[in-house]
Amino acid sequence: EAGVTQFPSHSVIEKGQTVTLRCDPISGHDNLYWYRRVMGKEIKFLLHFVKESKQDESGMPNNRFLAERTGGTYSTLKVQPAELEDSGVYFCASSQEIPGGYRDTQYFGPGTRLTVL
Amino acid sequence: GQQVMQIPQYQHVQEGEDFTTYCNSSTTLSNIQWYKQRPGGHPVFLIQLVKSGEVKKQKRLTFQFGEAKKNSSLHITATQTTDVGTYFCAGPRSNYQLIWGAGTKLIIKP
Repeated sequence: EAGVTQFPSHSVIEKGQTVTLRCDPISGHDNLYWYRRVMGKEIKFLLHFVKESKQDESGMPNNRFLAERTGGTYSTLKVQPAELEDSGVYFCASSQEIPGGYRDTQYFGPGTRLTVL
Repeated sequence: GQQVMQIPQYQHVQEGEDFTTYCNSSTTLSNIQWYKQRPGGHPVFLIQLVKSGEVKKQKRLTFQFGEAKKNSSLHITATQTTDVGTYFCAGPRSNYQLIWGAGTKLIIKP
């Protein structure tokens, strides 16, 4: 079974530019999460999709960040315009919905490193 | 490719019993991190181990990093209901990417 994949693995852009990160979850996983790790600190939650719907976007830092999951499969996270403080590693994770309304263990992708110069 | 295997997938314990989860990497790690995810929540950083043979304690939690820096363990003594959740280990794939274990879910038997 293929795991969670993320693309690109590394992106270097200039301040003010736009970047789009992509996450492909494990097939059949309805739940998809985005996280960010800044400057080697702990991972922080950004948002959570259940299928194509945003379940919780309380962790999104500001309106320069836009996440989509059209069709409930892969997801994109767009940063526009990028700022220096957006640099970090963006992780994606996915999990199944199991009977009883519980969410199973999250499986993480390897991350995308974003560097804003 | 590089892998981090974590076992067991689930562990059912009576409250008061001990719990252990193990991580094994296919390659030597520069460090290993541990996270805890409460049911319905998101992974929260617990600790990072860097040195070969390192042992760190946080109250009832003991973290170990193997001498070869390829394996690690988390041991919880006398589990409590607040310990319920999934425990993840993660090791660096590169200088910024992480390879995650699949997690071990700690379940307290009623």
